Amino acid sequence: SQTIHQWPATLVQPVGSPLSLECTVEGTSNPNLYWYRQAAGRGLQLLFYSVGIGQISSEVPQNLSASRPQDRQFILSSKKLLLSDSGFYLCAWSVGGEVTEAFFGQGTRLTVV
Amino acid sequence: TQLLEQSPQFLSIQEGENLTVYCNSSSVFSSLQWYRQEPGEGPVLLVTVVTGGEVKKLKRLTFQFGDARKDSSLHITAAQPGDTGLYLCAGTSGTYKYIFGTGTRLKVLA
Repeated sequence: SQTIHQWPATLVQPVGSPLSLECTVEGTSNPNLYWYRQAAGRGLQLLFYSVGIGQISSEVPQNLSASRPQDRQFILSSKKLLLSDSGFYLCAWSVGGEVTEAFFGQGTRLTVV
Repeated sequence: TQLLEQSPQFLSIQEGENLTVYCNSSSVFSSLQWYRQEPGEGPVLLVTVVTGGEVKKLKRLTFQFGDARKDSSLHITAAQPGDTGLYLCAGTSGTYKYIFGTGTRLKVLA
């Protein structure tokens, strides 16, 4: 069966520090991968998605970047965090080549202080 | 820009009551998903609907996709405290992107 791992679960970082959130998927090949950010109690904003290694599509201009160094690994990064980067970050995957259901990781609560 | 508006935004009801949550858009979607999310966790998929007019039932939950595939509803019969959570709809339209709704926060009081 497929599983998705996202870490860390919580993170407190000072303004101006770098960020690296990692997400890995097991049990499937060539998945579509996604990074979302969620405001408290609200819907999800798509940040990045990837349909293959090295292929990254950005949805909104921001202080963040994403990379996919391996087929089942998706990384969300920032060189210098801003206070406005605080939020709940979710990684998700779906079956490659199809647009069906998306399955989510447990999320990372990022607080920039 | 595709948007999915959910209503109501918040709902607090007593155990045993029925409720309906709506997900509306001006865009056509090829499929639509409903998720439930607990605080501090990722959303969990409840159902996917793909055909206009389709109705799916999951125990006390009934999901319907609009005939024109622009809207959907979630009806819960005899709500229980365990139904409490954030309900999210999400649509896809031939790309690899999932567009999420604005969310409905449901609280069922015992």
